[in-house]
Amino acid sequence: DAGVTQSPTHLIKTRGQQVTLRCSPISGHKSVSWYQQVLGQGPQFIFQYYEKEERGRGNFPDRFSARQFPNYSSELNVNALLLGDSALYLCASSSGQGVYNSPLHFGNGTRLTVT
Amino acid sequence: TQLLEQSPQFLSIQEGENLTVYCNSSSVFSSLQWYRQEPGEGPVLLVTVVTGGEVKKLKRLTFQFGDARKDSSLHITAAQPGDTGLYLCAGAHAGNNRKLIWGLGTSLAVNP
Repeated sequence: DAGVTQSPTHLIKTRGQQVTLRCSPISGHKSVSWYQQVLGQGPQFIFQYYEKEERGRGNFPDRFSARQFPNYSSELNVNALLLGDSALYLCASSSGQGVYNSPLHFGNGTRLTVT
Repeated sequence: TQLLEQSPQFLSIQEGENLTVYCNSSSVFSSLQWYRQEPGEGPVLLVTVVTGGEVKKLKRLTFQFGDARKDSSLHITAAQPGDTGLYLCAGAHAGNNRKLIWGLGTSLAVNP
């Protein structure tokens, strides 16, 4: 079975632009979470979607938004990009909502560079 | 802010040596997970611990959850170059089982 797939793998944008990142979960997984990982740090939680509804949100500005589609794939949108948005954006899928009984499976991420 | 502090931040050892990585917090976690991340890849789950005092073994890796569920350790015996990577701990609170709180990670290099 295919794992979590993310696209694109790398992206370069300039300040003020908008970006859309895409994620396809493992087949059968209904939950998708998004994380931001700045170089040298652990991941920071951005959003969780389960059954197409937002179930959790981290401490990120409203410039960050996401959605989940009927096929459980997901998009993360970031508007008005700042230099500080440069990071690895990770998508993780799981079968359920809770992290204990539904282990997260991560994709390899999208490396976003804002210049 | 609910933080997980990992130590050491960096570790470079020779093949065959033993090492321990620590993950500490001032708050109680309902569960704690350890991940390993290699360059260019996402984190891969190694283990989940949920009971205070719990010890789990995964080949040469031994994971322990503190009695008070505020801290955890990862011990690697006879490290090998294939163990090289970023080791991350992440905890979940009982009140929010959907969100993981992550440590900054321990970057381990095992030299042949």
